[in-house]
Amino acid sequence: LAKTTQPISMDSYEGQEVNITCSHNNIATNDYITWYQQFPSQGPRFIIQGYKTKVTNEVASLFIPADRKSSTLSLPRVSLSDTAVYYCLVGLLYNFNKFYFGSGTKLNVKP
Amino acid sequence: GAVVSQHPSRVICKSGTSVKIECRSLDFQATTMFWYRQFPKKSLMLMATSNEGSKATYEQGVEKDKFLINHASLTLSTLTVTSAHPEDSSFYICSARLQGLVFGSGTRLTVV
Repeated sequence: LAKTTQPISMDSYEGQEVNITCSHNNIATNDYITWYQQFPSQGPRFIIQGYKTKVTNEVASLFIPADRKSSTLSLPRVSLSDTAVYYCLVGLLYNFNKFYFGSGTKLNVKP
Repeated sequence: GAVVSQHPSRVICKSGTSVKIECRSLDFQATTMFWYRQFPKKSLMLMATSNEGSKATYEQGVEKDKFLINHASLTLSTLTVTSAHPEDSSFYICSARLQGLVFGSGTRLTVV
């Protein structure tokens, strides 16, 4: 199982681009990388998922280098409502696999 | 998109009683569901893996007799906290496997 490491916290200001990096040095060949957002007293919410290179959706981009040992979640022009904890998870999508959470990154967006 | 419904969202119970938490996949079948526990300002801790039609697999240190898991259908898994004590107070979150994980909204359990 690929262990993930993220910064414990990050600060940003409204309107800035935020990049959160996750290390997963022992990622397996068929593992995907998924990022989740969690607000207090709520379940995590899916943000973005990818396997390699770059993935972009309406809320974020995910950058994965060729060696796949890390990934970077990019949030463009953050707002106060983006203050949350962000988790990256690594694992197989379909086969039996358990998903363990790392510490996550607490993003604090200031006005 | 895919939705996992978790009920109740919050519950208060007396010490010694049992509480059941339901987790339903609303528009897809979930052969595998996961139950997590989260303490304040901490990450999610995997408690057990629930597989439809078979016994749940518990993580090390999780008491299977205290946290009973039943996954009787492809859309429903339940977690029953038996003989609850104040130290069982926590935020419990279920999730279902669907190209990754889809999470329920969580249940805040308070044992008084």
